[in-house]
Amino acid sequence: DAGVTQSPTHLIKTRGQQVTLRCSPKSGHDTVSWYQQALGQGPQFIFQYYEEEERQRGNFPDRFSGHQFPNYSSELNVNALLLGDSALYLCASAGQAHTYEQYFGPGTRLTVT
Amino acid sequence: AQSVTQLDSHVSVSEGTPVLLRCNYSSSYSPSLFWYVQHPNKGLQLLLKYTSAATLVKGINGFEAEFKKSETSFHLTKPSAHMSDAAEYFCVVTPLSAGGTSYGKLTFGQGTILTVHP
Repeated sequence: DAGVTQSPTHLIKTRGQQVTLRCSPKSGHDTVSWYQQALGQGPQFIFQYYEEEERQRGNFPDRFSGHQFPNYSSELNVNALLLGDSALYLCASAGQAHTYEQYFGPGTRLTVT
Repeated sequence: AQSVTQLDSHVSVSEGTPVLLRCNYSSSYSPSLFWYVQHPNKGLQLLLKYTSAATLVKGINGFEAEFKKSETSFHLTKPSAHMSDAAEYFCVVTPLSAGGTSYGKLTFGQGTILTVHP
């Protein structure tokens, strides 16, 4: 049983560009959350998707958007990249019965130059 | 609203000695509390969770934590440290009752880096 998978592993982008990160949830999970972990910090909640809708959102600007597909996989899009967007982006999945118990993927390391 | 304070940014112990990582929390609702571990260049792994059952929770790799409501604490302990325990540890809180607002939004502490000396 595959756990949460994310792609790509690493990404380097230039300021002003746009980026898309991808996540496949653990088998049987239907809820996907995204977190941003800046260097030396704890992860911060970006948003959560359930039934292809954004259900809850953290304190992130509209430049951060997402999508969930019918197979529960998800994308995180960031527009107009800033240097401060450089971070590890983590995807977590959960089953509806226990949305608080989340399983994390290995993350995508985004570097903005 | 919820928040987590990890009282030590770094903890250093010798192999074979006890480990104590301290965490205080604040939550508007009854909390669910977790400890996650992150090894370098690896994802987050769930160590243990508290969800309003027994207040003393046992996790993987010999770790345990005790929920103390009166002290709003959830400290992580291990009787004897191993070299492989060296990693960063995060205390996490989320409201146990969705209440229409939480849906499992996790709030992380700033992390405690555990160093284990031979």
